[in-house]
Amino acid sequence: ELKVEQNPLFLSMQEGKNYTIYCNYSTTSDRLYWYRQDPGKSLESLFVLLSNGAVKQEGRLMASLDTKARLSTLHITAAVHDLSATYFCAVGGGNTDKLIFGTGTRLQVFP
Amino acid sequence: NAGVTQTPKFRVLKTGQSMTLLCAQDMNHEYMYWYRQDPGMGLRLIHYSVGEGTTAKGEVPDGYNVSRLKKQNFLLGLESAAPSQTSVYFCASGYRQPQHFGDGTRLSIL
Repeated sequence: ELKVEQNPLFLSMQEGKNYTIYCNYSTTSDRLYWYRQDPGKSLESLFVLLSNGAVKQEGRLMASLDTKARLSTLHITAAVHDLSATYFCAVGGGNTDKLIFGTGTRLQVFP
Repeated sequence: NAGVTQTPKFRVLKTGQSMTLLCAQDMNHEYMYWYRQDPGMGLRLIHYSVGEGTTAKGEVPDGYNVSRLKKQNFLLGLESAAPSQTSVYFCASGYRQPQHFGDGTRLSIL
């Protein structure tokens, strides 16, 4: 059974600081997704990572994938308040691409 | 360009009542999914469909039924609502690409 563990669950950051969110999954998968969710809103796709060593960057967010370690990271550089949200990783793939989500990391960025 | 549309957005039910949540997508996707989101937890898959006329169980299917009579629509039914089904329900569509999510339905069962 595929399990996805995400940590930390809650992250309070000062503006300008760097931090990393970790996503571990238990079985082999061929794609990993990162989503953002603002309070009371839907999920917004950030990244899809398809292969070992994949790295994608968008603004202050950078995601990477290590399929051998079954680990993905979401790195935040020089955090700003607008990044405050809940971030989810999700593992998919196979012939149905069903997503198994991590529990989410609630990020709060303060001045 | 609507994407994925869910109706209703909010609903309050009494225990034992039934209702149907509607999901409609205009992207011609074969694959559609229903998830529920509970506080402190990620989304969990209830049921999914790989095409018109097909449905399959996900992680937490008990107490729910689904139908996919038309490609663009995916219905989620609660035959006899229970307080444990109080949640936010999200519909999504897409395959081997980031899934597109609807805005969610907030359902409370009293």
